[in-house]
Amino acid sequence: AQKVTQAQTEISVVEKEDVTLDCVYETRDTTYYLFWYKQPPSGELVFLIRRNSFDEQNEISGRYSWNFQKSTSSFNFTITASQVVDSAVYFCALGIQGAQKLVFGQGTRLTINP
Amino acid sequence: DTGVSQDPRHKITKRGQNVTFRCDPISEHNRLYWYRQTLGQGPEFLTYFQNEAQLEKSRLLSDRFSAERPKGSFSTLEIQRTEQGDSAMYLCASSLVGGISYEQYFGPGTRLTVT
Repeated sequence: AQKVTQAQTEISVVEKEDVTLDCVYETRDTTYYLFWYKQPPSGELVFLIRRNSFDEQNEISGRYSWNFQKSTSSFNFTITASQVVDSAVYFCALGIQGAQKLVFGQGTRLTINP
Repeated sequence: DTGVSQDPRHKITKRGQNVTFRCDPISEHNRLYWYRQTLGQGPEFLTYFQNEAQLEKSRLLSDRFSAERPKGSFSTLEIQRTEQGDSAMYLCASSLVGGISYEQYFGPGTRLTVT
């Protein structure tokens, strides 16, 4: 069975602080995909990044960076110099079998205070 | 560039009534997915289509739920004899199979409240 665990239910930091959102996944498949989505108060899920199981290279996109480690089954997300607009619920998701369906974690509610 | 659209955005219905939601995917996408999200939880997979074929249904999709994608374009999700436990956000997503990536793009959702 596939499972995604986001142990941090809520995180609150002050603007400009760095923050890391944790994601741990479980799957027996050797080919899988990992995703991060952002859900702002408006409710629409916004795609942030996809990583496949064969590519452990970390990625940086502006203030966002992702650390994929197969050895610990983790795919963590770091926001550097956080801004109030980063406030949202963030979901980590796992896709297997060509990502026909996604298994989501319970989400981490991130609040950036001015 | 048109994203995934869903209609209606909000629906309030009385228990026992039938409701139908519509999803229009990104035009070139051949896969369409339905998810359900309850308060404080992540989305849960319900079903997906590749073109007009419904290829997988979750156990969450009881007999009261039916989804269609008749011409491989838009899709409808119908819930018959609604129950209070059906209250949730129903999310639609689409993706392109055969492209260089598998990311699913989500619509704004339909929030259902059963009273």
